[in-house]
Amino acid sequence: DTGVSQDPRHKITKRGQNVTFRCDPISEHNRLYWYRQTLGQGPEFLTYFQNEAQLEKSRLLSDRFSAERPKGSFSTLEIQRTEQGDSAMYLCASSFQGGTGELFFGEGSRLTVL
Amino acid sequence: AQTVTQSQPEMSVQEAETVTLSCTYDTSESDYYLFWYKQPPSRQMILVIRQEAYKQQNATENRFSVNFQKAAKSFSLKISDSQLGDAAMYFCAYRRTDSKLTFGTGTRLQVTL
Repeated sequence: DTGVSQDPRHKITKRGQNVTFRCDPISEHNRLYWYRQTLGQGPEFLTYFQNEAQLEKSRLLSDRFSAERPKGSFSTLEIQRTEQGDSAMYLCASSFQGGTGELFFGEGSRLTVL
Repeated sequence: AQTVTQSQPEMSVQEAETVTLSCTYDTSESDYYLFWYKQPPSRQMILVIRQEAYKQQNATENRFSVNFQKAAKSFSLKISDSQLGDAAMYFCAYRRTDSKLTFGTGTRLQVTL
């Protein structure tokens, strides 16, 4: 299966620690998106890339959050100095540029900050 | 900014019956796309159906169909012949041409025997 894959699926960390999530998109897709989803809510947009360029960042993305997509392939989302409010599901999605732009989602990385 | 509103936090339907989930959105754009995504418990989000705003005809996908009212900015999802596997969170989403998806808060659908 060549869908969107995310790693790790679940991360438990202590407040103040740094965490990094990885996303491998569908190989033909040049766009990659990060969303955050808390329990009972819809996904909130964080940022997206076209190839290696980060085209848009949400104001939700504080300076403790950084995302990269070197060489336009996989992407990493790092959260520094985690806070309990960072506990959420972090969803990655990929798509083709343009057209109807259906997003294909991964299974998500669940972060629990103790 | 574009917003998507789903006013029904939870809905319930009996197996084999029909249910309609509501969604309204706000935009000043004339060209955009609308989607319904399904998120089963602990599973990834998948696309149910999409609608291009320039198309007047309502989209259908097997048991799933939409009622797209562009002037009213309304986009409801009808599920016919409901099945147990339809139980999930359903998210309405909006996308301006060549931009990101904006989601609503979701409707949890329960399917009972």
